[in-house]
Amino acid sequence: DTAVSQTPKYLVTQMGNDKSIKCEQNLGHDTMYWYKQDSKKFLKIMFSYNNKELIINETVPNRFSPKSPDKAHLNLHINSLELGDSAVYFCASSQDPGNTEAFFGQGTRLTVV
Amino acid sequence: AQSVTQLGSHVSVSEGALVLLRCNYSSSVPPYLFWYVQYPNQGLQLLLKYTSAATLVKGINGFEAEFKKSETSFHLTKPSAHMSDAAEYFCAVTRSDSSYKLIFGSGTRLLVRP
Repeated sequence: DTAVSQTPKYLVTQMGNDKSIKCEQNLGHDTMYWYKQDSKKFLKIMFSYNNKELIINETVPNRFSPKSPDKAHLNLHINSLELGDSAVYFCASSQDPGNTEAFFGQGTRLTVV
Repeated sequence: AQSVTQLGSHVSVSEGALVLLRCNYSSSVPPYLFWYVQYPNQGLQLLLKYTSAATLVKGINGFEAEFKKSETSFHLTKPSAHMSDAAEYFCAVTRSDSSYKLIFGSGTRLLVRP
């Protein structure tokens, strides 16, 4: 069983479209995250939820909206996609915020054309 | 503010040679420090972490790292490189006051020559 699973793995879409990436964890963790990895491999946190509540919201365009229907799921919806949104998006989870191990999903490679 | 600097975007070693990947951090409070590995087209996997216990931390796959407060460093080492160690390695820091986010370095690609 995959601990943190994301779908889809690859996503190619046109500028201006709206798309969602889903994430589910079966580890029983309280905290989930979205990270963005750009073309230079730089990783930056976007959002974090703890027990379905938003605890981190970095400087991200409001076209990006996370949604956590329950503790095990954290989805990322992106409106009006732009070329600069092309990146690999990683979902992760941890037992609690901060100092414990984060488990990462396989990533979703988003290409906006 | 916290930050992490990884010296060297690429490190190349021969199989069997010592691996040394450098990480320096900046933090105004005691940090928690991590090394993650990313294999091609995969997510990140934790190698090891420092959370203010022993300063020499042993991780998976024969890796270890030493926390040196005086040098603000947390370098990753492995005595003998294996071909399967070729990957991207990321150092990361978070704060002991639970600021809830990992700050990653820019990564170091390890190449292992036969």
